[in-house]
Amino acid sequence: DAGVIQSPRHEVTEMGQEVTLRCKPISGHDYLFWYRQTMMRGLELLIYFNNNVPIDDSGMPEDRFSAKMPNASFSTLKIQPSEPRDSAVYFCASSLRGGLSEQFFGPGTRLTVL
Amino acid sequence: GQQVMQIPQYQHVQEGEDFTTYCNSSTTLSNIQWYKQRPGGHPVFLIQLVKSGEVKKQKRLTFQFGEAKKNSSLHITATQTTDVGTYFCAGVANFGNEKLTFGTGTRLTIIP
Repeated sequence: DAGVIQSPRHEVTEMGQEVTLRCKPISGHDYLFWYRQTMMRGLELLIYFNNNVPIDDSGMPEDRFSAKMPNASFSTLKIQPSEPRDSAVYFCASSLRGGLSEQFFGPGTRLTVL
Repeated sequence: GQQVMQIPQYQHVQEGEDFTTYCNSSTTLSNIQWYKQRPGGHPVFLIQLVKSGEVKKQKRLTFQFGEAKKNSSLHITATQTTDVGTYFCAGVANFGNEKLTFGTGTRLTIIP
C-alpha cells in the first residue's frame, strides 16, 4: 500500500481565495482524521470521519472550514475564504479503530496564505 | 476539554546522553500512544500502551504508562543523531470517544 496520500504538498495562495486539500486514506481504514499543525498551537484535530460520516467537527476553527468524505477513498478539506492565519501544515491520517489504534499520517500539505 | 502537556518543550543533549520526556493528561486515558516527527516530516507511530503501569521497550527506547493512566514517559538511552525530532504523546480520554488528543511535544536536538 502507498500509505496515506495528500495533495497538493505545497500550496501558496492569496487571502480570500478558496483552498482545497485532498486526502486518500489507506484502503480498509474506517477512520480518517484531519489535523492542523502550527508552532503556536501544535497538532490540533480539526475533524474526523468514521465510515465516511463526520463524527466530531468541534475542532474546525470556523465556518470558513468544511470537510467532506464522499467515499471511503477520498476526503477534502476546504477553506473559503482563506486568511493568513490559516497558514499551517495540514495532515490527514487514517486508522483502523479511531484513536485506539495506530494512526498513519500522510506527508502533509504546507499551506501559505499571503 | 482534555489537555495533554509534555515537558520539557525542548531538550538539547550530547550524543550518548540519555533523554526523557514526560506526558501529563488532565483526564484519565484509555490508552497512550507515542509518535516521532522528524524535521520537515510527518508524525510516525512508535508504540501504544493501554494497561495501568505498563512498561514497554523498543531497543534503546522505554515507554511507561502511569498507574493512574494520566501520565506517561519516554526514555531514550544513549541518544544517537538519528533520534533527532519531536516526540509526541497522544491519548484517548477514558469516556468512550475515539478522538486522539496530542500532547504539546518535546523537540530533541543532539549535539554531536
